[in-house]
Amino acid sequence: ETGVTQSPTHLIKTRGQQVTLRCSSQSGHNTVSWYQQALGQGPQFIFQYYREEENGRGNFPPRFSGLQFPNYSSELNVNALELDDSALYLCASSLPLEGYTFGSGTRLTVV
Amino acid sequence: AQKITQTQPGMFVQEKEAVTLDCTYDTSDPSYGLFWYKQPSSGEMIFLIYQGSYDQQNATEGRYSLNFQKARKSANLVISASQLGDSAMYFCAMREGLDRGSTLGRLYFGRGTQLTVWP
Repeated sequence: ETGVTQSPTHLIKTRGQQVTLRCSSQSGHNTVSWYQQALGQGPQFIFQYYREEENGRGNFPPRFSGLQFPNYSSELNVNALELDDSALYLCASSLPLEGYTFGSGTRLTVV
Repeated sequence: AQKITQTQPGMFVQEKEAVTLDCTYDTSDPSYGLFWYKQPSSGEMIFLIYQGSYDQQNATEGRYSLNFQKARKSANLVISASQLGDSAMYFCAMREGLDRGSTLGRLYFGRGTQLTVWP
């Protein structure tokens, strides 16, 4: 059983809309990362949060933003959705000595 | 240049046989970590094995072992005694510049290898 929970599991949005994806990790996981995985591709790093501050960002535009909360939950917000934003979005929290623990992801479809 | 290259889009192996999934990496950082993940159709990325750049021994975790050849910059995953449940997508990933105990740093992923185990 994974210690990282993501919601919702599936989501359909219309181009131009905004979306918020949520992630809940285990107590003590003070680092959370978000990845975008397009169909048939490996995950691409969006950004990472450490102690509620952004700590690194991949090649994604500013309309991708995030938050991390003191209760170890986090959000990924995407504004002005585009068709190419359709993907599986993965949240990962970091465990020393055991690598990153990923959630099952949110499948976002933009139509 | 790609940080992680997985050249096998698909691999097939018979149950109970061993299989090797290839991974090469590119970094100029002397300190890095290499990871393998399994992704079933459900989407979850399941951590399998880790190898640090300074580790002297090849990593092993149960039926999984990592064939680490530093000079060739390769980190192949070997799965022994394949099982039907091993059928999934497998990703190689790298984190640069940090030791295993750190919780910071992005992962660079390859494009994955789809493994199919047949009876």
